[in-house]
Amino acid sequence: QSALTQPASVSGSPGQSITISCTGTSSDVGGYNYVSWYQQHPGKAPKLMIYEVSNRPSGVPDRFSGSKSGNTASLTISGLQAEDEADYYCSSYTSSSTLVVFGGGTKLTVL
Amino acid sequence: EVQLVESGGGLVKPGRSLRLSCTASGFTFGDYAMSWFRQAPGKGLEWVGFIRSKAYGGTTEYAASVKGRFTISRDDSKSIAYLQMNSLKTEDTAVYYCTHYSLGGSYAGYWGQGTLVTVSS
Repeated sequence: QSALTQPASVSGSPGQSITISCTGTSSDVGGYNYVSWYQQHPGKAPKLMIYEVSNRPSGVPDRFSGSKSGNTASLTISGLQAEDEADYYCSSYTSSSTLVVFGGGTKLTVL
Repeated sequence: EVQLVESGGGLVKPGRSLRLSCTASGFTFGDYAMSWFRQAPGKGLEWVGFIRSKAYGGTTEYAASVKGRFTISRDDSKSIAYLQMNSLKTEDTAVYYCTHYSLGGSYAGYWGQGTLVTVSS
């Protein structure tokens, strides 16, 4: 069982917006602004999409945005495109001895 | 362009050892922490551990699942990070990824392509 809770799957049609949630505790998501999101296409390495809750690395489209409220972080993808279909993982720093925790991943299907 | 290339994966019997290497280019290797993650077949991502830069003591941290069995080291002169894996278990079977790691923000900015380690008798 993963430390952070994500929905197993979400779906949306091209052009629509979707949001993926990531729920933790005050020891991780809620306690620090160190939430990151990774995109992983099948058979490929993960790619950083959002860091420190809401920052986008250079080259990531501004269709991707991140936010946080309390112990829940969210990744929103607006204007869905076919190439957005992938698995998405959230991660957070944690004050526990584990230091870094992940969600179980969310499979995004673009209908 | 940042590049990270892992090598050293393969098939190994339970209880044996294996060392993975991660050769980096495109950035000043010695200035950054380096981290290892893994992904078991069909499963999610798991943090394995990281090593700080020499400026921050070059110290290491590990996930509980590998502490005492795995060791991360670095050779800044060669821009290589290592993951020494001892007393391997079948549950260590996974693709292992090397990453450039931001300790300040706790995120992995760049990932290698991964190398598969299979622990089986």
